[in-house]
Amino acid sequence: DGGITQSPKYLFRKEGQNVTLSCEQNLNHDAMYWYRQDPGQGLRLIYYSQIVNDFQKGDIAEGYSVSREKKESFPLTVTSAQKNPTAFYLCASSRGTEKLLFGSGTQLSVL
Amino acid sequence: SQQGEEDPQALSIQEGENATMNCSYKTSINNLQWYRQNSGRGLVHLILIRSNEREKHSGRLRVTLDTSKKSSSLLITASRAADTASYFCATDAIGTYKYIFGTGTRLKVLA
Repeated sequence: DGGITQSPKYLFRKEGQNVTLSCEQNLNHDAMYWYRQDPGQGLRLIYYSQIVNDFQKGDIAEGYSVSREKKESFPLTVTSAQKNPTAFYLCASSRGTEKLLFGSGTQLSVL
Repeated sequence: SQQGEEDPQALSIQEGENATMNCSYKTSINNLQWYRQNSGRGLVHLILIRSNEREKHSGRLRVTLDTSKKSSSLLITASRAADTASYFCATDAIGTYKYIFGTGTRLKVLA
């Protein structure tokens, strides 16, 4: 079955540490996205990628980095520069401008 | 900056009643989509309406789009307790794959 997989489901970060959230899809989708959701809030776009080896900043890219070396994978690194990283992180993919398919999310917390 | 703003922020209705939520956006778009999110989970796509369409139906859902007012509405008819969730609109600006989400409407359907 085709789908989009995020891991881990829960992640804890120590101060000063970089952590990487995984996002993999086997849908052959060109576009992939990372969103951040704070409690009771909407989704804010961190980064998105339309094709392999290319990505663009969203509205809140500071303190985050991404790579798109393979079509199937779009990992997100939360760097130590992100001072308030506690949030629910959602990855999504799409074929062109069609509907987004979301993963089940990663809850990141700070120790 | 979030492109979509939704109202009301929260809505509480009795089972069997209709629920209407509205979304406004700022720039010209390719299409507008509505998503549903149950607490702590990923988003599920409900319906997509293209910029050249004015109304679309899917089961108990009815979506309208007014591009002159840059607004859309989602109507859920004959609501059920299982419809309790948060509902988000998302838009992509023309020429981009950049999907921006609204702030969401939290719907509670009382049995």
